[in-house]
Amino acid sequence: DTGVSQDPRHKITKRGQNVTFRCDPISEHNRLYWYRQTLGQGPEFLTYFQNEAQLEKSRLLSDRFSAERPKGSFSTLEIQRTEQGDSAMYLCASSFPTGVTTGELFFGEGSRLTVL
Amino acid sequence: ILNVEQSPQSLHVQEGDSTNFTCSFPSSNFYALHWYRWETAKSPEALFVMTLNGDEKKKGRISATLNTKEGYSYLYIKGSQPEDSATYLCAFNFGNEKLTFGTGTRLTIIP
Repeated sequence: DTGVSQDPRHKITKRGQNVTFRCDPISEHNRLYWYRQTLGQGPEFLTYFQNEAQLEKSRLLSDRFSAERPKGSFSTLEIQRTEQGDSAMYLCASSFPTGVTTGELFFGEGSRLTVL
Repeated sequence: ILNVEQSPQSLHVQEGDSTNFTCSFPSSNFYALHWYRWETAKSPEALFVMTLNGDEKKKGRISATLNTKEGYSYLYIKGSQPEDSATYLCAFNFGNEKLTFGTGTRLTIIP
């Protein structure tokens, strides 16, 4: 399967713990995106990378959140000192260099985080 | 603040019937309108990316229209099948790399 893969698919953690999610995009895609979906809402943009450069971050991404894409391939999203409000589905997507103004996003299946 | 609104929030349709739902978005600074289908436990899958006013796109039994002047798009499903059960998301783009999603229309097909 050569689609976008995310790991882990599910994570249950206690409040205050750190968690890290990994995303492996489609290999020929240079753009990578993170979105978050909470209950009853549509996915909300968090951040995006072009190759290894993080070019945009949402105000939703507090200081406890950090994302990296060190070699322009896979990406990690880390949440430090998790809070119950961080419980959500974290979606990764990738796209061709044309981006979303003309092209589609290819999504992974998401990483569901539950903070107890 | 950009608002993308979808209606209805949910609907149940008898197998074989046709259905449609709406996505409303800001009509200014329009670049693209995306439609995605998200089945439970799977990844969201792109249906259409529409960029031109008056665009009509079709994929099998599913089609979509776009009116950028008035800020709406319709998604149509003809002859609904059980595999059409999913949440249908639309998303608006105004020229940067963000998509602003609606909350989705949850479609259930009744066999």
